[in-house]
Amino acid sequence: QKEVEQDPGPLSVPEGAIVSLNCTYSNSAFQYFMWYRQYSRKGPELLMYTYSSGNKEDGRFTAQVDKSSKYISLFIRDSQPSDSATYLCATAVGRNDYKLSFGAGTTVTVRA
Amino acid sequence: DVKVTQSSRYLVKRTGEKVFLECVQDMDHENMFWYRQDPGLGLRLIYFSYDVKMKEKGDIPEGYSVSREKKERFSLILESASTNQTSMYLCASSGQGEVTNEKLFFGSGTQLSVL
Repeated sequence: QKEVEQDPGPLSVPEGAIVSLNCTYSNSAFQYFMWYRQYSRKGPELLMYTYSSGNKEDGRFTAQVDKSSKYISLFIRDSQPSDSATYLCATAVGRNDYKLSFGAGTTVTVRA
Repeated sequence: DVKVTQSSRYLVKRTGEKVFLECVQDMDHENMFWYRQDPGLGLRLIYFSYDVKMKEKGDIPEGYSVSREKKERFSLILESASTNQTSMYLCASSGQGEVTNEKLFFGSGTQLSVL
């Protein structure tokens, strides 16, 4: 069983919709949670980073972590065509943990 | 602008060939990583290096080796390429200190096909 499972998608939504992306993880030692965004033919780039449980907001993006249920979410409000990409969740145990565990990614298409 | 550069975007090799994938970063980062990305499996860590000449195995090191002779360059070597090594290979780097390991800077990837 993979350490991080991600809803496979793909998702197709109209412009302006709220996009909801989800991951679950199995290792209760994970404390750092990340979302990476990967455009077609590009490498992933860090989008959001959170430590432990709670919410973090950055513009139209909100990351949520519920450690009690081992659940990670990313919400994109007022989605734009430029948000069309693959989104990968990732986790780490500690700050110096070189081995990030990645989800398989969810591909999102925002239709104009 | 920070940059991680992978030498080839597409590569086609034959089974049994020795393959070199090169990666260069211009951010003076201590840490460098090689991942492979496969549909449905996500990113899996092959090897990483936290200093020149230092290397550590990741989750799937079998069939691969690495070399880091200079801080800015990290090479992935497929000793004898096999068809199950057909994949997208991503190089990444990260710094120490306040820039923690989770902030990886990725190259654009090398799509390797082994025939």
